[in-house]
Amino acid sequence: SYELTQPPSVSVSPGQTASITCSGDKLGDKYASWYQQKPGQSPVLVIYQDSERPSGIPERFSGSNSGNTATLTISGTQAMDEAEYYCQAWDSSTVVFGGGTKLTVL
Amino acid sequence: QVQLVQSGAEVKKPGASVKVSCKASGYTFTYYYLHWVRQAPGQGLEWMGIINPSGGSTNYAQKFQGRVTMTRDTSTSTVYMELSSLRSEDTAVYYCARGVQGEGNYMDVWGKGTTVTVSS
Repeated sequence: SYELTQPPSVSVSPGQTASITCSGDKLGDKYASWYQQKPGQSPVLVIYQDSERPSGIPERFSGSNSGNTATLTISGTQAMDEAEYYCQAWDSSTVVFGGGTKLTVL
Repeated sequence: QVQLVQSGAEVKKPGASVKVSCKASGYTFTYYYLHWVRQAPGQGLEWMGIINPSGGSTNYAQKFQGRVTMTRDTSTSTVYMELSSLRSEDTAVYYCARGVQGEGNYMDVWGKGTTVTVSS
């Protein structure tokens, strides 16, 4: 079965750029989506179709996908961006999630 | 506005079944698929399956095949997820999420989740 691999944790200083990767075999041939989840809350879609932002998502969130790696980039990271982030792809008519990355802003 | 309102928390004994509902509003119910995703305490997101409210067709994750049933009621714009033969490992928050299929296949709106606790 298809697998997506994320680093368990990423740390960033306020105002700096955070990059969270998601790796999977030929992931660049599929579309990647990203979800933000804060403690006790439901996930929120922040990036779809590799690099599209839903309405209401700040411009500091961006995405890319090529080769075997999709990347979520948060520019000018703010304290409110501290959360768990999950990548997601669609493979063989099933949804696959990455294991999640805890973003710490310190 | 688009909303997915889920039923309340459940406590079940091992071996029992649970049925969680998800009522959609703010959009045409049959135009979007609905996914079910669960999250065990302290764990990541786990996809359970998808239902097409238009025709009722379903596709379940292999892990849940034979134990999960997803249905819909178009008269009330509600989808249901029933999980049988519950065990302690099924203790989790269960989410429904609206699915955008086609280019991308992603989930753009999520319910608030339903906590299911399996305990003797």
